Amino acid sequence: NAGVTQTPKFQVLKTGQSMTLQCAQDMNHEYMSWYRQDPGMGLRLIHYSVGAGITDQGEVPNGYNVSRSTTEDFPLRLLSAAPSQTSVYFCASRRSTSGGGLEYFGPGTRLLVL
Amino acid sequence: SQQGEEDPQALSIQEGENATMNCSYKTSINNLQWYRQNSGRGLVHLILIRSNEREKHSGRLRVTLDTSKKSSSLLITASRAADTASYFCATARSGYSTLTFGKGTMLLVSP
Repeated sequence: NAGVTQTPKFQVLKTGQSMTLQCAQDMNHEYMSWYRQDPGMGLRLIHYSVGAGITDQGEVPNGYNVSRSTTEDFPLRLLSAAPSQTSVYFCASRRSTSGGGLEYFGPGTRLLVL
Repeated sequence: SQQGEEDPQALSIQEGENATMNCSYKTSINNLQWYRQNSGRGLVHLILIRSNEREKHSGRLRVTLDTSKKSSSLLITASRAADTASYFCATARSGYSTLTFGKGTMLLVSP
């Protein structure tokens, strides 16, 4: 199994541009999530999904959209990039939707917004 | 939002010594999890302890949970240079799907 994969690994955007961060998992996990990690802030939850067609907001959802059309894929869209969105983004998945299991993380996408 | 807080923020030890990190949280939990992050990498799960458990072991890792004090500790015995990483606790509240992560402890193990 490849586990959780993310693309791209690095991205530079100009303010106002849009882009989609891709995330896929091959473990048939129902729960998927997106986090951002900033220095000294730990991981903060952006959006999550408990199954195909179901998404919900996390702690810091503003400026981001998600969709979950399949169990495997959970893309994160930046609508109009801002310098405050410069961060490292991690996608994660787990089997349980109730918070009862360990999450598997992707390698991350480093995003710089100029 | 409810969040685990790790203590200390940074820890520097010599190889062979034990490393202890603590995590405090604010509300009732279903379980508490510990993760490791090597520099520039994604997080890797280490161990999960449920609210009805007090202690759990995995190799050189020992995790304790005190729900009355709302705190947990992670002990790494006989540390190695390869244990150098950031360690995060994450809490799962009862009835909620999501995890809430703390800000982490940076551990440096010197040869």
